[in-house]
Amino acid sequence: QQQVKQSPQSLIVQKGGISIINCAYENTAFDYFPWYQQFPGKGPALLIAIRPDVSEKKEGRFTISFNKSAKQFSLHIMDSQPGDSATYFCAAGPDNFNKFYFGSGTKLNVKP
Amino acid sequence: GAVVSQHPSWVICKSGTSVKIECRSLDFQATTMFWYRQFPKQSLMLMATSNEGSKATYEQGVEKDKFLINHASLTLSTLTVTSAHPEDSSFYICSAIDTYEQYFGPGTRLTVT
Repeated sequence: QQQVKQSPQSLIVQKGGISIINCAYENTAFDYFPWYQQFPGKGPALLIAIRPDVSEKKEGRFTISFNKSAKQFSLHIMDSQPGDSATYFCAAGPDNFNKFYFGSGTKLNVKP
Repeated sequence: GAVVSQHPSWVICKSGTSVKIECRSLDFQATTMFWYRQFPKQSLMLMATSNEGSKATYEQGVEKDKFLINHASLTLSTLTVTSAHPEDSSFYICSAIDTYEQYFGPGTRLTVT
């Protein structure tokens, strides 16, 4: 059973637009939900993370929205820039990072 | 944020040989590190959890005798791919826990010829 489902698989957005990537998780015991950005040939870099005590977290142009009852969370990239073109992974797991699960990834292409 | 390094960044080895990959936490101590494997255009697959001073915990389907993990200190974990075969060619990524966040290394590209 896939613990974390991510959509869409790929996304094309015009510069200045909003990019939205969605994830759904299965295990209600999960309490840490990060998003990672990965460029080709590089390791994932932590972008932003949220814990279930809040429904939204914003850092600059990046916002996580969290819906505990629906077991869903999403990443919003405001004012998307060509430099944001990368693969984005959501993840979910316990707060102690034991047995972490990753989504399948979303390849974002921001057109200039 | 915290920095995790890996060495080498890429390595080519011949089939049947062994290769060691190092993962270091540069500015923090990590009692727990993780090793992942990533195939092209795919997500990260957890291979094992490396704990300082104890044996690694391997995920189901990962051969512990083939992928040897040693967490020798609070800043260093190593992954040794023994008797490498072409199907072991992949992108190997480690991560380390710094208090409340997980940070990833830049990855090591292994090519077995």
